[in-house]
Amino acid sequence: GAVVSQHPSRVICKSGTSVKIECRSLDFQATTMFWYRQFPKQSLMLMATSNEGSKATYEQGVEKDKFLINHASLTLSTLTVTSAHPEDSSFYICSASKRGNTIYFGEGSWLTVV
Amino acid sequence: EDQVTQSPEALRLQEGESSSLNCSYTVSGLRGLFWYRQDPGKGPEFLFTLYSAGEEKEKERLKATLTKKESFLHITAPKPEDSATYLCAVQPMYSGGGADGLTFGKGTHLIIQP
Repeated sequence: GAVVSQHPSRVICKSGTSVKIECRSLDFQATTMFWYRQFPKQSLMLMATSNEGSKATYEQGVEKDKFLINHASLTLSTLTVTSAHPEDSSFYICSASKRGNTIYFGEGSWLTVV
Repeated sequence: EDQVTQSPEALRLQEGESSSLNCSYTVSGLRGLFWYRQDPGKGPEFLFTLYSAGEEKEKERLKATLTKKESFLHITAPKPEDSATYLCAVQPMYSGGGADGLTFGKGTHLIIQP
């Protein structure tokens, strides 16, 4: 069964609004989670590293004020897309590392900005 | 800069026709090489992690191998349900000994025809 869960799986929002995506590790504690985005027929691109109890680390070119990441507990990280625009429409996926360095991914969240 | 190149981009096989997918990589110190399966609209499903040259791992019809420059995913007597995109990713080992997010290849889109 799934060990990393994302919610919602699909969301549609209006341009200019904000939307939050949750990522949970189901049966283990994850001090570090990662957020990726994937455009159609493209590979996954790392956006940021989410660290429990501290600020997220963003990859070059990712706007930290637009993609707010909060890792308030050892099992939950959230990604908030602020002032969303149609070009933010994408597939957002989180991952978490379980003991033994097995990295599991969530089911992904489709964001459509209209 | 870490790089991952997968080939071929797409592969169409007849059911039962064995083949191999290639993943070439350059990384400043390899912590792990990962193989995932991704179905359309879903998050990646973990298959294998390889850590050192010469290592091999098997799961059902799949076997992954690793050298210092590349990894192969061998698929033996595939079935239509093996159709998916197979992703290869590397995890670097930085000087501090910590792990970081994965760098993915673009994937190989595999189609198994009955």
